[in-house]
Parts: sequence; structure tokens; C-alpha cells
Amino acid sequence: TQLLEQSPQFLSIQEGENLTVYCNSSSVFSSLQWYRQEPGEGPVLLVTVVTGGEVKKLKRLTFQFGDARKDSSLHITAAQTGDTGLYLCAVDRGSTLGRLYFGRGTQLTVWP
Amino acid sequence: DSGVTQTPKHLITATGQRVTLRCSPRSGDLSVYWYQQSLDQGLQFLIQYYNGEERAKGNILERFSAQQFPDLHSELNLSSLELGDSALYFCASSAHSGVGANVLTFGAGSRLTVL
Repeated sequence: TQLLEQSPQFLSIQEGENLTVYCNSSSVFSSLQWYRQEPGEGPVLLVTVVTGGEVKKLKRLTFQFGDARKDSSLHITAAQTGDTGLYLCAVDRGSTLGRLYFGRGTQLTVWP
Repeated sequence: DSGVTQTPKHLITATGQRVTLRCSPRSGDLSVYWYQQSLDQGLQFLIQYYNGEERAKGNILERFSAQQFPDLHSELNLSSLELGDSALYFCASSAHSGVGANVLTFGAGSRLTVL
């Protein structure tokens, strides 16, 4: 069993559609990060959520941290082709900050 | 450009060989991390260095080793390569402490293919 379960694994949609991807766990976390990785590049941090129930917005992207700090969601409104990429959630593990555990990711493809 | 530089970008080699991957962290960052990304395992933490010293180890094989030099660049050495070592290897860096310590900036990665 993975520490972080991301769903769906693959998502293929048309431009203009809305979508939500999920990151779930049975563990409680002090914070959770979302990254986006484009082909040929490394992951890029989008947001860090810290407080249970917290909602953060980044333009058309809305991130929510579950009340119990066990899960998170990412909602994209009116998807664009530039949103195409692998969306990864990650949490800190162990006593060393930066030792991140990543979920397997959701591969999003947005078609024109 | 993230500020984290990795070389080479692509590397093709044969089983049993040894390769060295190089990383220059973002200016001012003292911590360097190595991650491996494969289709089988996803993105996995290998090892962390802080200001030249090893700080944490993850799922790093004994055939792999790393070091961080006084100028803060780091090298990941992979030896006795096997087909299963084919993967993307990412270097990341972060601030040395405080709020930004778990905010990683990743390089573009080195794609290793073992034939």
C-alpha cells in the first residue's frame, strides 16, 4: 500500500473542462505539497498546504487540504493545454526536512 | 531555468559500467537531494547532503554513492549498472533551515539508459 494514493492515474480532457484530482492517505500530515512535472523537466512546486481545511488558489487551480490533514484535492477550472503534465503530491517523511515522499501522480492531458 | 543544474542530460551505457551524475545547486542553497524516478517506483528519495555532510538516506542501493564538495556541487556515482537502474535521476536543492527547508527546487534531471 502506497503512503499517498493519487487518483485518477490518468486523465484526458478537452480544453475548457473542469477537473479534480485527489491525493489520499490514512496518515496525518503536518503539511502537503503539490508539484507539476512537465515532460523533460523536474517537478515544480505549486503550493504547500498546512492547515486542515485550508484552501489555496493559484489562478485557475484550487488546492484543498482535508480537515483531518489526511488528504488533499486539486481542482482546475477551465483547463488549458498548458495545464498538461504530471501532478504529484508529496509529504515530508522522517526527521529531515526535504526528504519527501511522493505519490505516483496523475498524468493530465488537455486537448485543444 | 530553476537554478539547479544537472549534467549530463542524457546518458546511455552498458550493464556493469559506472557513471557519475553531477549537480550544481541553486545559489545560496546548502542542501542537495537526489531522487530517482522510474515507471515502476515513481519518484523516490535517495540521499541528502547538507553543506558537505550526508544528512539522510533513503532507498539508495549499495552500488550507488554520492558526495557533496566544498563548492556545494554534488555527484551521484552509480556502479555495476543493471538494466533496472535505467531511470531519471533528479537533483534538488533547498535552503539550509527554517521555513524554506522543505521547499525543493528540482533540476531538469539526467536520463540514464542502461543497455
